[in-house]
Amino acid sequence: GQQLNQSPQSMFIQEGEDVSMNCTSSSIFNTWLWYKQDPGEGPVLLIALYKAGELTSNGRLTAQFGITRKDSFLNISASIPSDVGIYFCAGRTDSWGKLQFGAGTQVVVTP
Amino acid sequence: SAVISQKPSRDICQRGTSLTIQCQVDSQVTMMFWYRQQPGQSLTLIATANQGSEATYESGFVIDKFPISRPNLTFSTLTVSNMSPEDSSIYLCSVEEPGAQNEQYFGPGTRLTVT
Repeated sequence: GQQLNQSPQSMFIQEGEDVSMNCTSSSIFNTWLWYKQDPGEGPVLLIALYKAGELTSNGRLTAQFGITRKDSFLNISASIPSDVGIYFCAGRTDSWGKLQFGAGTQVVVTP
Repeated sequence: SAVISQKPSRDICQRGTSLTIQCQVDSQVTMMFWYRQQPGQSLTLIATANQGSEATYESGFVIDKFPISRPNLTFSTLTVSNMSPEDSSIYLCSVEEPGAQNEQYFGPGTRLTVT
């Protein structure tokens, strides 16, 4: 079954605020991926992480692979209306293992 | 990254019928997968589509209900058979490209409603 715990489940924030969400696993992962899904569309890959401690940015997005290899977080700085959507973490325990997905964090940005 | 298309984008079907969903990639890919996303839920892996051989199904999914074909490295189909309202979901195909460090990319999805 699903081993990832993603929190928070939802966030209601004002435009310009920073957003932070995280995922924890009961197993050690060797890959963490963060996706965003807009309504009616497939998930889009935002950031991929491969090493413990790795910190990677993609524009206003920053994600880190936790030192224990059991967690990861995603930050969005200075949120804008188009940041609205559902963000999923996903990870795998080995190179050939299937991806496991978190339950998702719904982000709502108000002007 | 590879460009992935799915057909149809959405459909409304009657219970007891079957629907075949197509996934086309613009380049050859090593791995192709099929996921289900039930309303308001996360993604659940149905199966790995293996080129030239039978798909590998996850626990809770069987070939009779979800037959999959993968005739080449750029194309796969998923059939949802003998549909019931519980099959109403978004069905997504995804791919991993050779040498892409296990990054997985998703198609736009097929939104299925069974009445």
